[in-house]
Amino acid sequence: GAVVSQHPSRVICKSGTSVKIECRSLDFQATTMFWYRQFPKQSLMLMATSNEGSKATYEQGVEKDKFLINHASLTLSTLTVTSAHPEDSSFYICSARAGTVSYEQYFGPGTRLTVT
Amino acid sequence: GNSVTQMEGPVTLSEEAFLTINCTYTATGYPSLFWYVQYPGEGLQLLLKATKADDKGSNKGFEATYRKETTSFHLEKGSVQVSDSAVYFCALSDSFGNEKLTFGTGTRLTIIP
Repeated sequence: GAVVSQHPSRVICKSGTSVKIECRSLDFQATTMFWYRQFPKQSLMLMATSNEGSKATYEQGVEKDKFLINHASLTLSTLTVTSAHPEDSSFYICSARAGTVSYEQYFGPGTRLTVT
Repeated sequence: GNSVTQMEGPVTLSEEAFLTINCTYTATGYPSLFWYVQYPGEGLQLLLKATKADDKGSNKGFEATYRKETTSFHLEKGSVQVSDSAVYFCALSDSFGNEKLTFGTGTRLTIIP
């Protein structure tokens, strides 16, 4: 089946620094990738949708200058949390959709970000 | 807007017990409904789906029926196994072929031998 990886799986960074999370589709080309955020005991919240080669579409309330998303190739999307603060600590999950025939999304295992 | 409410966990059952995880939704139009499962250390996987009223999705012994009259999509399995231990998420996408998913909070299921 389709596999999506994320790197790193866990990251700890200091307040004020930036951190980049990678999302890769390993065995298929992802025309669309999604970034979610999950707080403890809460549901996954969609942050943004990115299509290869174009700017990401952010959900209402998500700061695009803080959460930079790049989808430069059909197998890689990156999320950069800029000037991170403790309130940015969360579980970030990406998903990828292959082609335009099926709407099924394939999810990565997630990245735990802790900002100290 | 769209929303999904699923029963809070954690849920602990003995092996071979009957499982029900309740899920209700609020949406305009005719959404598609999904159950995703997340095993420890892995990403969410699509377990089953239903795209219209009265459809029944099934996979790996799990079933869920799209009930428009009760806006529900409860997940059931007749005899659970230890390997079913995971977190289960109910989700919907709206009726316009929109790929955006709205998730419930997830229910952690633990099956004890």
